[in-house]
Amino acid sequence: AQSVTQLGSHVSVSEGALVLLRCNYSSSVPPYLFWYVQYPNQGLQLLLKYTSAATLVKGINGFEAEFKKSETSFHLTKPSAHMSDAAEYFCAVSDRGGGFKTIFGAGTRLFVKA
Amino acid sequence: EAGVTQFPSHSVIEKGQTVTLRCDPISGHDNLYWYRRVMGKEIKFLLHFVKESKQDESGMPNNRFLAERTGGTYSTLKVQPAELEDSGVYFCASRELLGVNTEAFFGQGTRLTVV
Repeated sequence: AQSVTQLGSHVSVSEGALVLLRCNYSSSVPPYLFWYVQYPNQGLQLLLKYTSAATLVKGINGFEAEFKKSETSFHLTKPSAHMSDAAEYFCAVSDRGGGFKTIFGAGTRLFVKA
Repeated sequence: EAGVTQFPSHSVIEKGQTVTLRCDPISGHDNLYWYRRVMGKEIKFLLHFVKESKQDESGMPNNRFLAERTGGTYSTLKVQPAELEDSGVYFCASRELLGVNTEAFFGQGTRLTVV
């Protein structure tokens, strides 16, 4: 079975500081991994995806994530936080043996302080 | 191109009533999924349609939930009768290709409150 674990339900950073949201996955097959973001009162938006090509994946709004097989991690980073980044972020894996349904982590709420 | 749209965006109903949620996937997407997030919990899979057929309904909580996808286009999720624990945000997603892994596109969600 595939799963993802997000470390930290809440992360708070100052504006301009590095954003690091942690995600570890468990998968018996090469995983397809995603980060989604949910802004207040909006739906889920895809930030970026890893599909076994480049291990460093760049997404929208300056975010990127690095796939590390040895660490089974897919952490999300952004060099400089902006107030508009305040949202909830979900790491997810595609269940390749289960109709490619999306399996989500518990989510990490990012707070950005002025 | 229109994205995945869900109706209504919010619904408040009394315990015991019936509610029907609707999802319009992106045109041409054969795969349609329903998910639910109960307050403070993870987003959980409910079921998966491929065209009009239920591919996987292992996540449906009980027989008070009924999903349909007539003609392989839009889908409805009916809760009858609603219970307090059904409150949460219901997401719909669609994905393009059968058997190929592409990302799913999500709707805005329907926030259901059962009082």
